[in-house]
Formats: sequence, structure tokens, C-alpha cells
Amino acid sequence: NAGVTQTPKFQVLKTGQSMTLQCAQDMNHEYMSWYRQDPGMGLRLIHYSVGAGITDQGEVPNGYNVSRSTTEDFPLRLLSAAPSQTSVYFCASSPDTHKLHFGNGTRLTVT
Amino acid sequence: TQLLEQSPQFLSIQEGENLTVYCNSSSVFSSLQWYRQEPGEGPVLLVTVVTGGEVKKLKRLTFQFGDARKDSSLHITAAQTGDTGLYLCAGGNNDMRFGAGTRLTVKP
Repeated sequence: NAGVTQTPKFQVLKTGQSMTLQCAQDMNHEYMSWYRQDPGMGLRLIHYSVGAGITDQGEVPNGYNVSRSTTEDFPLRLLSAAPSQTSVYFCASSPDTHKLHFGNGTRLTVT
Repeated sequence: TQLLEQSPQFLSIQEGENLTVYCNSSSVFSSLQWYRQEPGEGPVLLVTVVTGGEVKKLKRLTFQFGDARKDSSLHITAAQTGDTGLYLCAGGNNDMRFGAGTRLTVKP
């Protein structure tokens, strides 16, 4: 039972590069979300999805895109990386939007 | 925006001591969740409180939801080194928001 799987675990980008952070869950959860975690600021919601084909913005959506073509996958795309996007990114899924199951994160550094 | 404020930000205690951490908001929540996060890992759900005034116990951890459903507390009795971690509260509807957390260190 893998739960929520995030790849890669670590990534270094140069300013202006683009990349996709992958997130997959095998629990058949309808709800998925992306957070970033920065020191002293807790977890901030980037985007979320209540089901396949549906996405919505969270607190800090600028510079990020998402899509939800399947129930299992919820990739996060950085269009043009900036140093301010250096962070730890967590993907989560839930059967009911409240009981979040988190992956182990992707640590991203933008130079 | 429903803001959740947690206090204290940092707490360092000796093994065996009791402690309480708080999660406060000016907004009413239908439920609040508490998570614990250890270094290098994602947060793990500890409990969900739903009813105003509700008290839930999880071994040495006691969670309380305020009568007005705007605040919550987590009390740990006889803390152990294994309780060390970042404690986060969260609330919301589809857009779950988190507090900044209380970083607890329990020293042997």
C-alpha cells in the first residue's frame, strides 16, 4: 500500500527553467492538493482538486499550474522557476477533503 | 481567509513534563484537525474534532475543540522524547489551511 507518492525527492533548478512535480495516490481518493512549506510559515495551499477534471486555486497559486486528468495523478508544474519558489512541496489526498494523507515531499532549490 | 494562529511557536521541555499548545482563529470551523510532522516526512493526521466542546483522547494526548468552534488545544501528559515534532492544526472546507505550527522538543 504505497499511499501518496511524490517524485522526485530532491530537485535543483536554475531560474527560468520549468519542471513538473509528480504526485500519485493509490487510495482512490477524490480530493488532492498541493502545499508548499517554508520555515516559520507552515503549509500554504497552492492548488487543490475535488475530482478528476476539476481544479481550483489556493492561497499561493501564482507561478504554478495543475491538471487532474485521472483520479490517481495530480502533477504540479512550475512554468518559469524563481528563487522564491525554493521550498519543500507536499502533495496530499483525502477521501473527504479533511483527513489529508501526505506524501514525503519534494525539496526544490532554485538558484 | 481563515487564519489559524498557533502558540507557542517553539517549546522545549524535559521528558515527563506536561504541556499544552493552542490553535486559535477568529473564524468558525466545521472541524479542526491536528497533525504531527517529523523531519523529512509529511504531516500525519492525529485527530479530527467536529463538535464544539468536544474532547478526544489519543493515549497521552488530549484534544479539545472550543465551544464556539474557533479554537482548539492539544495537551500532552508526561511527554516522551518520541513526542518531539512539529504539531500543526488545520481547518477549512475544500481549501484546508494550516497554522504555522508548534515545534516541540522533548529532552531526555
